[in-house]
Amino acid sequence: NAGVTQTPKFQVLKTGQSMTLQCAQDMNHNSMYWYRQDPGMGLRLIYYSASEGTTDKGEVPNGYNVSRLNKREFSLRLESAAPSQTSVYFCASSGTGFNEKLFFGSGTQLSVL
Amino acid sequence: AQSVTQLDSQVPVFEEAPVELRCNYSSSVSVYLFWYVQYPNQGLQLLLKYLSGSTLVKSINGFEAEFNKSQTSFHLRKPSVHISDTAEYFCAVSDLKNYGGSQGNLIFGKGTKLSVKP
Repeated sequence: NAGVTQTPKFQVLKTGQSMTLQCAQDMNHNSMYWYRQDPGMGLRLIYYSASEGTTDKGEVPNGYNVSRLNKREFSLRLESAAPSQTSVYFCASSGTGFNEKLFFGSGTQLSVL
Repeated sequence: AQSVTQLDSQVPVFEEAPVELRCNYSSSVSVYLFWYVQYPNQGLQLLLKYLSGSTLVKSINGFEAEFNKSQTSFHLRKPSVHISDTAEYFCAVSDLKNYGGSQGNLIFGKGTKLSVKP
C-alpha cells in the first residue's frame, strides 16, 4: 500500500520561480489537505478539498493555489515563490466520518533562495 | 478562534522514566482533541484522540491522555518511555463546525520534542 505519495521530496527554487507540488492517494479518500510545517510553528493548513470538485482555504492560503484534479490527486502550486515559503510541505488525506484519521505523506522540503 | 499551547518545546527524559507532555487549548465551543506523533523524516501519525465519551483515551503503545474541560487541558502521559518514543509530538484541536466538514481542519500546537536517553 503506497498510501499518500508526494513528489518531489526536495526542491530548491529561486525567488519568483513557480512550481507545483504533487500529491496522490490510493485509499479512495474523499478529503485531501496541504499543510506547511515551519520550525517552532507546528503545522498550518494551507488549503483543503473536502471532496472531489471542491477546495477551501485554510489558515495560510496566501501565495498558493490548489487543484483537485480527480479523487486521487491534489496539487499545490506556488506561482511566484518567495523566501517566506521555504518550508516542509505535507499532503494528507482522510475518509469521511468522525472516526476517520489523517494519513500523511512523507513531505516535500522546499527552499526558496 | 481556537488555539493550542504546548508548554514545553523540548522534554528530555531517561529510558523507563515517566513523561508528561502538556497541552492546553482555548475555545468558546465544544472541542475535539488529538495527539499526533512525528518520527524523524516522516509525516505525522495519529496517536490518540478525544471526540466524546470517556475523558481518558489510550493508544496502543502505552500513551494516554485525559480531557480536562475545567482546566482546558489534554496532557499526554506515559508511565515508562522507550528509546523508540523519541519523536516530536503535536497536540491539535478542532470543533464540530470545522471537524464535521473535514477531518483535517485542525489547529496544531507548535510541537514538543521528546528525547529519550539511555
